[in-house]
Amino acid sequence: AQSVTQLGSHVSVSEGALVLLRCNYSSSVPPYLFWYVQYPNQGLQLLLKYTTGATLVKGINGFEAEFKKSETSFHLTKPSAHMSDAAEYFCAVSGLYSGGGADGLTFGKGTHLIIQP
Amino acid sequence: DAGVTQSPTHLIKTRGQQVTLRCSPKSGHDTVSWYQQALGQGPQFIFQYYEEEERQRGNFPDRFSGHQFPNYSSELNVNALLLGDSALYLCASSKQGAGANVLTFGAGSRLTVL
Repeated sequence: AQSVTQLGSHVSVSEGALVLLRCNYSSSVPPYLFWYVQYPNQGLQLLLKYTTGATLVKGINGFEAEFKKSETSFHLTKPSAHMSDAAEYFCAVSGLYSGGGADGLTFGKGTHLIIQP
Repeated sequence: DAGVTQSPTHLIKTRGQQVTLRCSPKSGHDTVSWYQQALGQGPQFIFQYYEEEERQRGNFPDRFSGHQFPNYSSELNVNALLLGDSALYLCASSKQGAGANVLTFGAGSRLTVL
């Protein structure tokens, strides 16, 4: 079984400040980890993913995340927030389906990122 | 290159009715997954279709069923609608193999049950 916990349903930062969104996961198999962003009235857009290899993953729009197995964490960061970053962010985990495909994703409840001018 | 397209974008039903939602995957993708996103919540996995068969299913009752067609498009059917079925239904497509875990999501179909 897999689960995701996102700490903080709302996070507020000033424009230009560091963004840190927290994600902890639980998985009985080596996890694939993802961060998605959702803008109002839109679907989800993949920001970045970790499957294997380098534990520091760089994504789109200046975001990055670090997989820490010992802490079962996959926190999302961005050095300098921009007003356009205001959105809902979801962390997700999946495993590898035995048939060679990918498991359905298990999502966290989301963190609403607010950017203060 | 069109991404994932879903229809309808919005619909309103009453309790007990049935609904069908449709999804066309991104060009080149062969796997379709459906997710339910209640207001203020993260998406929940309903099921996944590959080669016209349901390959994996989340914790949803049998009232939720689906189908995948030879052209890889898919339908989600929900019978005997409940108020709690009101949600945004998201379709996601992917390509079997190395890209299996890279999902492309559609904008969703927002279902309101009265």
